[in-house]
Amino acid sequence: KAGVTQTPRYLIKTRGQQVTLSCSPISGHRSVSWYQQTPGQGLQFLFEYFSETQRNKGNFPGRFSGRQFSNSRSEMNVSTLELGDSALYLCASSLESGTGSLEQYFGPGTRLTVT
Amino acid sequence: GQSLEQPSEVTAVEGAIVQINCTYQTSGFYGLSWYQQHDGGAPTFLSYNGLDGLEETGRFSSFLSRSDSYGYLLLQELQMKDSASYFCAVYSYNQGGKLIFGQGTELSVKP
Repeated sequence: KAGVTQTPRYLIKTRGQQVTLSCSPISGHRSVSWYQQTPGQGLQFLFEYFSETQRNKGNFPGRFSGRQFSNSRSEMNVSTLELGDSALYLCASSLESGTGSLEQYFGPGTRLTVT
Repeated sequence: GQSLEQPSEVTAVEGAIVQINCTYQTSGFYGLSWYQQHDGGAPTFLSYNGLDGLEETGRFSSFLSRSDSYGYLLLQELQMKDSASYFCAVYSYNQGGKLIFGQGTELSVKP
């Protein structure tokens, strides 16, 4: 089975721009979660999608948004980029939502640099 | 609030045994997971404990004590390739349910 894929792998953007990141989960997995990873803050939960519905959201401003399509693929969008948004953005999939998310499979991440 | 505590760094020698502890403070606790992340790589799932006790998977074992809000990851017969960051994560029913990660423990295995 193919693993979780994320595109693009690297991205450089300027402050004020917006960005869209894409994630394709493992086939059959219906839950997709997004995380932001930075050296100082570790892995921070952004949101989780299941069956095209956002199930939960972390403590991030409204500039961070996402969606999930009927084939379980997910996108996250960050508008009005700030320098502090520079991070590794990880997508993880699991078979089910809720407690099923204890066993998640991560993609390689998108390294976003905001200048 | 919800928090997880784990040591920031651990050093051990090849062939040794190392234990990485994780204490958590959360309500609505359901289970504890462990993830490994090599430098520049993605986190990979290692194990999950939903009930008290020890779960063994090859050289790795994970333990949970719900009454003590404590768990650990035990790595035996350490190999150089085990050098990585190890994260504990808890699932909490609070706030709609989500996986909360610790800050990670960087394990260095020396020859």
